[in-house]
Amino acid sequence: KQEVTQIPAALSVPEGENLVLNCSFTDSAIYNLQWFRQDPGKGLTSLLLIQSSQREQTSGRLNASLDKSSGRSTLYIAASQPGDSATYLCAVSQAGTALIFGKGTTLSVSS
Amino acid sequence: EAEVAQSPRYKITEKSQAVAFWCDPISGHATLYWYRQILGQGPELLVQFQDESVVDDSQLPKDRFSAERLKGVDSTLKIQPAELGDSAMYLCASSPDRTEAFFGQGTRLTVV
Repeated sequence: KQEVTQIPAALSVPEGENLVLNCSFTDSAIYNLQWFRQDPGKGLTSLLLIQSSQREQTSGRLNASLDKSSGRSTLYIAASQPGDSATYLCAVSQAGTALIFGKGTTLSVSS
Repeated sequence: EAEVAQSPRYKITEKSQAVAFWCDPISGHATLYWYRQILGQGPELLVQFQDESVVDDSQLPKDRFSAERLKGVDSTLKIQPAELGDSAMYLCASSPDRTEAFFGQGTRLTVV
């Protein structure tokens, strides 16, 4: 059974710092991996989708990498801002299945 | 920009009452998902539809939960009777081809 783990569970950084969020999964036979952002009490906003054949995806200050063989993905946030404060969720899908989520990393960026 | 619509946004109900949530996916998206998210946890799949057919409802508590997508477009998730442990965020998502999933704003359910 696929399991997704995100470390750390919470992270606090000062504004301007670069940071890395980690995601690991137990079964490397994934179809794709998706990173989401969730603000308190709100739904999920898709940030980046990495298909299994890809190594990384970039959107603005965000860069996500995927190492399928080791079962790891990282989300790199450059020059963090207070507006980046949210919970970041990693999810993987396998052929024909729905997304399986980690518990998320709650990020707090102080000004 | 197309969005997944959910209603209501918030619902407070008494234990043992019935409650229903509605989801309208992005137009043309054949796959629809209902997830439940308990505070501090990641979302967990309740049911997955492909058009009007259920693909996966293995985690749906079928003694009290039901879901339908009669015309393969919008969907309703029902709980009857509601229990205190059902308090959670209920999220709907859709996908055009089971790749990228797009989520709605969710329905926050509180059972008292």
